[in-house]
Amino acid sequence: AQSVTQLGSHVSVSEGALVLLRCNYSSSVPPYLFWYVQYPNQGLQLLLKYTSAATLVKGINGFEAEFKKSETSFHLTKPSAHMSDAAEYFCAVSDQGTDKLIFGTGTRLQVFP
Amino acid sequence: NAGVTQTPKFRILKIGQSMTLQCTQDMNHNYMYWYRQDPGMGLKLIYYSVGAGITDKGEVPNGYNVSRSTTEDFPLRLELAAPSQTSVYFCASSYAGQEAFFGQGTRLTVV
Repeated sequence: AQSVTQLGSHVSVSEGALVLLRCNYSSSVPPYLFWYVQYPNQGLQLLLKYTSAATLVKGINGFEAEFKKSETSFHLTKPSAHMSDAAEYFCAVSDQGTDKLIFGTGTRLQVFP
Repeated sequence: NAGVTQTPKFRILKIGQSMTLQCTQDMNHNYMYWYRQDPGMGLKLIYYSVGAGITDKGEVPNGYNVSRSTTEDFPLRLELAAPSQTSVYFCASSYAGQEAFFGQGTRLTVV
């Protein structure tokens, strides 16, 4: 079965700094990959998705992610953090055999003024 | 534009009680999922369904049951509530392999 690993359960950045949230997947075949954001006391909202088209994927709120097959990675970045970016971020993969979504353990992003 | 609707939003259960968490979607998605979210543990898949009449276990199915009699509805049943089932539960739906749409969650406390 496929899995995703998110390195770092907590990431702290200053407002205006680069945001980098890491995600690695386990698959010999490029899967479909997703990043979701969860604001406090809310459900999950899709940020962006990779479905084997362009390797650099742009999402909402200025986020983007690059699919790197050689590194089996799909890291999420944003050039300049905003206070409103503080939330929990989840990487997810669509399992090749069953098409069900498998989530990572999440990374909580804190943004300091 | 309802999307995925979960009820109730909050519930307190006593140990041994039973309840059903309701989930309905209006997007005609074939896949539906139930996840639980515990602090620092991400989302764990409880059960999922690939279409009406078909359900399958996820990572943590013990203590739960589901049914999928229609495309729209995917209720989650807790028969004998235990403190370990205190969690936030999310229902989601999708087309096969595509992004999932989530409900707002049900916060369940078992005391």
